[in-house]
Amino acid sequence: GENVEQHPSTLSVQEGDSAVIKCTYSDSASNYFPWYKQELGKGPQLIIDIRSNVGEKKDQRIAVTLNKTAKHFSLHITETQPEDSAVYFCAASPNSGYSTLTFGKGTMLLVSP
Amino acid sequence: DVKVTQSSRYLVKRTGEKVFLECVQDMDHENMFWYRQDPGLGLRLIYFSYDVKMKEKGDIPEGYSVSREKKERFSLILESASTNQTSMYLCASSEPGAQRGLYNEQFFGPGTRLTVL
Repeated sequence: GENVEQHPSTLSVQEGDSAVIKCTYSDSASNYFPWYKQELGKGPQLIIDIRSNVGEKKDQRIAVTLNKTAKHFSLHITETQPEDSAVYFCAASPNSGYSTLTFGKGTMLLVSP
Repeated sequence: DVKVTQSSRYLVKRTGEKVFLECVQDMDHENMFWYRQDPGLGLRLIYFSYDVKMKEKGDIPEGYSVSREKKERFSLILESASTNQTSMYLCASSEPGAQRGLYNEQFFGPGTRLTVL
């Protein structure tokens, strides 16, 4: 089955800095890669996703890049703000016929004012 | 807005008890999922359902069962709770995805923190 590795497990940055979280996946058949943000006391929420026919996608201060050859994808957050502090999960969806996701282990991002 | 609700935020049970975790979604989604979340392990899929009365095992189904009698409700059952089932349990729902060549967002509930003593 699919295996998703995520690094780093924790990341501390100063407000205004950029943050990068990296993930690798094992199943070359995977073709959908979402990122979820989980704030304290809440369930994860989708913030951005990318499909295998696209190399990069941006939405305001966040962007995701995908390298299918190397089987890795990354989340980039620019101009970080304290409200970006949360746990971030990457995920991959194998082309199995169901909408299941395999998640990475998560990155706790702390943005200090 | 999609809303996924879970019956309890916190639950404390004794070893050997039968435990029911309930999840309800209000957006007529066909897919529903149960995950457990543990520190350092991320989210792991226990079971999912793509239709009423249909269920499929996820990555860690041992010790769990599920029930989906109505489209909006998906229950996770711990037949005989054990201390290693102490965890945060998250329910999610989504529109059908890969069957139609699409991948759709999973909407999560707030979670139930279960402690088994």
